[in-house]
Amino acid sequence: QQPVQSPQAVILREGEDAVINCSSSKALYSVHWYRQKHGEAPVFLMILLKGGEQKGHEKISASFNEKKQQSSLYLTASQLSYSGTYFCGTPGGSNYKLTFGKGTLLTVNP
Amino acid sequence: DAEITQSPRHKITETGRQVTLACHQTWNHNNMFWYRQDLGHGLRLIHYSYGVQDTNKGEVSDGYSVSRSNTEDLPLTLESAASSQTSVYFCASSRDRAGDIQYFGAGTRLSVL
Repeated sequence: QQPVQSPQAVILREGEDAVINCSSSKALYSVHWYRQKHGEAPVFLMILLKGGEQKGHEKISASFNEKKQQSSLYLTASQLSYSGTYFCGTPGGSNYKLTFGKGTLLTVNP
Repeated sequence: DAEITQSPRHKITETGRQVTLACHQTWNHNNMFWYRQDLGHGLRLIHYSYGVQDTNKGEVSDGYSVSRSNTEDLPLTLESAASSQTSVYFCASSRDRAGDIQYFGAGTRLSVL
């Protein structure tokens, strides 16, 4: 079942912060985050594992609450290079495939 | 460097024609995936394979087929192309660990006229 992302789109000015949420109706073992810049392939950002572990990438961090079946991506002091579409992906138990959300379009303006 | 390549990058075809999109990876990954990306739908899984001779249907598999004869390649075939299959197609691969990182190819933009 496809995870639900919110918001669908967000526009920021450089230096502002943003939060992107990902929620699932089924139990989660982990959550993956990918970023796709316009016209390019999705690129892996980070994996969040059970236990509420937080990961970081540049000034991007994320949290995972397996009880609430949701993850949040935090973009701090956004840069122009953060613009793109962010996808969360959830694996189905122990298998290898991911189900991706519909994505959140992030636009950072000067 | 290891990589995953897709060809062609752009393709225009006519309805009813058979089309094959190539995907080749040099990571020696057992897992390979095909997605289509359409506005408002995100990435949807078409087919996937966990090893040679293994293929599985994803959520939008109708009208598509794959075959896996070696570790490196997973070609995607549209048996009889339809306008609804106009999309951007991405291939990805990953190692044999549950929920492992997927590495994506650059994509193929397919237009069916």
